[in-house]
Amino acid sequence: DTGVSQNPRHKITKRGQNVTFRCDPISEHNRLYWYRQTLGQGPEFLTYFQNEAQLEKSRLLSDRFSAERPKGSFSTLEIQRTEQGDSAMYLCASSQPVVAKNIQYFGAGTRLSVL
Amino acid sequence: SQELEQSPQSLIVQEGKNLTINCTSSKTLYGLYWYKQKYGEGLIFLMMLQKGGEEKSHEKITAKLDEKKQQSSLHITASQPSHAGIYLCGEQYNNNDMRFGAGTRLTVKP
Repeated sequence: DTGVSQNPRHKITKRGQNVTFRCDPISEHNRLYWYRQTLGQGPEFLTYFQNEAQLEKSRLLSDRFSAERPKGSFSTLEIQRTEQGDSAMYLCASSQPVVAKNIQYFGAGTRLSVL
Repeated sequence: SQELEQSPQSLIVQEGKNLTINCTSSKTLYGLYWYKQKYGEGLIFLMMLQKGGEEKSHEKITAKLDEKKQQSSLHITASQPSHAGIYLCGEQYNNNDMRFGAGTRLTVKP
């Protein structure tokens, strides 16, 4: 499978716990994006990386949210001290702007439920 | 808040019928993307439009961007149950992130 891969697909956690999600982009894509999607809404941009550099993080929802892409390949999104309002689908996308007009290809998402 | 308005919010059609979904922006669109999403899954890229008046087709789905580049429509001909899902339009913003409409939920009744 050469698409964007996200793990886990589902995560159930208790309020106050930390969670981490992983995204493996399409191998030749240098851009990686994280979005959050709540029920009945379109995805909402959180942050993105170009290679290992995080070029936009002002739209992360709070300082409890952080993302890394240490070697410019896979990325992790961490939410600390989860709250019930964090329950949502977290989507990852990747793109290769030079080649493909920055078309973003999405993974299947990680659905987070905070109890 | 969503800056792209999609209409209708939901649509139920009989199999074989044609349908149109609209996406409207208050600003000029410099790149308009259409995606399809099955419930609880990721987004599947359908088409991208950049030029005013541009029209693209894939199988039975046709997307158009108007001359003023402020509205796009997605037309499905002879709908099938496999067309069911949520259709999302998105625009490139700041050459970085994508901003999406709230989506149109399509149900196709066999």
